[in-house]
Amino acid sequence: GIQVEQSPPDLILQEGANSTLRCNFSDSVNNLQWFHQNPWGQLINLFYIPSGTKQNGRLSATTVATERYSLLYISSSQTTDSGVYFCAYSGGSNYKLTFGKGTLLTVNP
Amino acid sequence: DTEVTQTPKHLVMGMTNKKSLKCEQHMGHRAMYWYKQKAKKPPELMFVYSYEKLSINESVPSRFSPECPNSSLLNLHLHALQPEDSALYLCASSQVERYEQYFGPGTRLTVT
Repeated sequence: GIQVEQSPPDLILQEGANSTLRCNFSDSVNNLQWFHQNPWGQLINLFYIPSGTKQNGRLSATTVATERYSLLYISSSQTTDSGVYFCAYSGGSNYKLTFGKGTLLTVNP
Repeated sequence: DTEVTQTPKHLVMGMTNKKSLKCEQHMGHRAMYWYKQKAKKPPELMFVYSYEKLSINESVPSRFSPECPNSSLLNLHLHALQPEDSALYLCASSQVERYEQYFGPGTRLTVT
C-alpha cells in the first residue's frame, strides 16, 4: 500500500507561534483529509483537500498531488490547538482511510 | 447537522460479557465505518458498510460483530473480548460517492 509519512513527529510551541506540518506520500493519492484529535479522543475534520489550497480561520492547507505531499499551516497558535494532527488518504473505489502516524503538537501558554 | 454520535462514552467489560457499541448519524450518509485506535497509534479500519451492506472486513476477529440495522445506525457487538482489545473505538460516516469522513467522539473500551 501507499506509505504515509508525517513530520515532525512532535512539536512544542509557545502560544502565538506559527507552524507547518507535513505529510508525504509514496505514491499519488486521490483523497486527503487532515484531522485534529483533541485530548479527549475526538477526531475533528480540518480539511478535505485532494488538491489545491484551503483556508479556515487560522488554519490553512495545501496539497500538491503531483509532488505527493500536503502541508497544514497553523498560525497564531493557541493552547486549544494542542493534540495530535493526522493526515489520512483514501483512494480508488476503496473507502478505507489510511492514517499517517500523526504529529503531536503541544502549545504552551 | 454534521454530527456523529456514539454511546456509551466509556465501557468496562469482563472477558465473558456481551456488550454493544452504538453509532448514529443524521447526515444522510450511506457509508459507515468502525475504526479501532490503540494508545499513541493512528486509527485502523475495522469494517465498512455501504448502503447497509458490509463491504469491507479488515480480517477482524469474530468476537467483533458489526450490524447496520438502517442507514442511520451502526452497531458493534462485542463478545468474549481479550484485554488487548481495550482501545478507543471510533465510528465514522461519509457519502458513498465522496470520501470525506466524519467521526464520532468514540467509545473508550476497557476489557478486564
